[in-house]
Amino acid sequence: GENVEQHPSTLSVQEGDSAVIKCTYSDSASNYFPWYKQELGKRPQLIIDIRSNVGEKKDQRIAVTLNKTAKHFSLHITETQPEDSAVYFCAASRARNQGGKLIFGQGTELSVKP
Amino acid sequence: DTGVSQDPRHKITKRGQNVTFRCDPISEHNRLYWYRQTLGQGPEFLTYFQNEAQLEKSRLLSDRFSAERPKGSFSTLEIQRTEQGDSAMYLCASSSADSGYTFGSGTRLTVV
Repeated sequence: GENVEQHPSTLSVQEGDSAVIKCTYSDSASNYFPWYKQELGKRPQLIIDIRSNVGEKKDQRIAVTLNKTAKHFSLHITETQPEDSAVYFCAASRARNQGGKLIFGQGTELSVKP
Repeated sequence: DTGVSQDPRHKITKRGQNVTFRCDPISEHNRLYWYRQTLGQGPEFLTYFQNEAQLEKSRLLSDRFSAERPKGSFSTLEIQRTEQGDSAMYLCASSSADSGYTFGSGTRLTVV
């Protein structure tokens, strides 16, 4: 069945350090992989996404890598800041475009200590 | 159009009562999704519409749950005979072929 595993469930780093969150998906037909940031009591917000025809994508301090063979994808945040503290969710979708049903991971609570 | 709107933001209901939530998507988005999120978990897919057609429904969605999108614009999610296990945040999202998901702020349901 469709499943996305996310690790770690909690992550604590010092301000300025890097943070890495990893996800594994089970559906080999998945081809779109977004990452969402959710602050307490707020809606999930898209921070970066990647399609299966790309191995890496970067946006300022955030990057995502994808290994289709291993069915792994990872979120990398460099030079972390206290405002990066939130819950981060990975997701996977079979959709050809950016729409379509998303299967979410369980979430990673990131805490950045000043 | 300021995004996806959900109403109400909070709902407290007694067990056994029926509740209905509304979602207004971004106007140019033809796809609309409902998710349920419990504390400490990722959103779980419930159902989605393309225009007015309900294309997929999760097996998580029991017979007590029904969703509609009669004119391909707003959608409603109804839960009949609510149970305590239905307590959760119900998130709506919309998308189009050219844009990714935009989530609403959600409706927090508490069944007492």
